[in-house]
Amino acid sequence: QVQPVESGGGVVQPGRSLRLSCATSEFAFINYATHWVRQAPGRGLEWVGVISYDGTYTSSSDSVKGRFTISRDNSQNTVSLQMSSLRVEDTAVYFCAKESHTLLSKFFDLWGRGTLVTVSS
Amino acid sequence: IVLTQSPGTLTLSPGERATLSCRASQSISANSLSWYQHNPGQAPRLLIYGASNRAAGVSDRFSGSASGTDFNLTISRLEPEDFAVYYCQQYGDSPPITFGQGTRLEIK
Repeated sequence: QVQPVESGGGVVQPGRSLRLSCATSEFAFINYATHWVRQAPGRGLEWVGVISYDGTYTSSSDSVKGRFTISRDNSQNTVSLQMSSLRVEDTAVYFCAKESHTLLSKFFDLWGRGTLVTVSS
Repeated sequence: IVLTQSPGTLTLSPGERATLSCRASQSISANSLSWYQHNPGQAPRLLIYGASNRAAGVSDRFSGSASGTDFNLTISRLEPEDFAVYYCQQYGDSPPITFGQGTRLEIK
């Protein structure tokens, strides 16, 4: 399987917006839900949100609800994370991850290496 | 659901056996529990899903077990590449999805 690649990270001021992308050349990627997970400096992994394979369903964590929006363009094999009203505490490496499943279990079987977002004045 | 991992840091030598623990704050299905390995700067890697099923390509030195709300990841004979941070994750019927705070496995 081909690892997804995140892009779009950088330094941004509090209150501003930033858009991250997750891209893959693997055709099968579009058949699965995609998640965003972040890791703040010195901290563990935190789930951010998910989008279904066809984009009809999204869900996000309480910490970003109303500020972050996930979308996808399956014609381009990309998933995006639109982040607005950014806060200093949103500073983190952001990973995208492909969901997979068996009849009984759901898990993230393929991750990118992440892109760093720094929110600072 | 809160997942609490212990210990926070585990210091062992290559060749030794490592046991990492993850405790759920309430009853969860074993089917919902996964383990990941993460080296800084790299992509996290799925090791175990459904508490005890090894992911494709994962060495049989890695095994997972469950007992009630307690879950363990065991690495039978540590290799140099095993020294990393390990996370448990709970993904039930629907979000939110939670991770434990991680266990850092470091070389003695």
